[in-house]
Amino acid sequence: QLQLQESGPGLVKPSETLSLTCTVSGGSISSISYYWGWIRQPPGKGLEWIGSMFYSGTTYYNPSLKSRVTISVDTSNNHFSLKLSSVTAADTGVYYCARHATTVTTDWFDPWGQGTLVTVSS
Amino acid sequence: QSALTQPASVSGSPGQSITISCTGTGSDVGGYNYVSWYQQYPGKAPKLMIYDVTKRPSGVSNRFSGSKSGNTASLTISGLQADDEAHYYCCSYAGSNTWVFGGGTKLTVL
Repeated sequence: QLQLQESGPGLVKPSETLSLTCTVSGGSISSISYYWGWIRQPPGKGLEWIGSMFYSGTTYYNPSLKSRVTISVDTSNNHFSLKLSSVTAADTGVYYCARHATTVTTDWFDPWGQGTLVTVSS
Repeated sequence: QSALTQPASVSGSPGQSITISCTGTGSDVGGYNYVSWYQQYPGKAPKLMIYDVTKRPSGVSNRFSGSKSGNTASLTISGLQADDEAHYYCCSYAGSNTWVFGGGTKLTVL
């Protein structure tokens, strides 16, 4: 059974870079069938897609975050990472990673990691 | 790229049916058959309930169904049960390799 687990600092200072890792178990991140995505949720608010990437390095980013986001993959350790630079309080929230199936015939996010809360504060 | 529009809340009594709408534009919901729906309990991760507008993943109750008309997608839950009380989010492919979620709907089972 595929499982995803987010990890990283729970507190980041304003203007610094938020860095999170998503470790995939029960399956290979190098699967040719799936992308891997990051989604976030500010406290009490809705979900926002951050970006998705293929194991080969192809990445897609939310245009509103593109200038600050980098998603990368480490196939040897079966994990992928998120970096969000120049953070502000508006970047506070729960960050989820998820497997992203996106082909010409289907599109969905499943399963999701449990999420990790990141607070931006000095 | 604006968030898809969902009602903030809907409610229904046990056994009834409810429908949650998800309104976008011709550039997202109306332009592709790639709408998915997620159920989220407080403090938990979202769970896929419907994908590709109408398809149901293995293990999801057939009380959950999806549809689309023009720029509006809908999630219908029939035979409402107490444990259906949760937040529900829609998501759509929005073209140019981008995706957009709805603002979420809180379902209350009376």
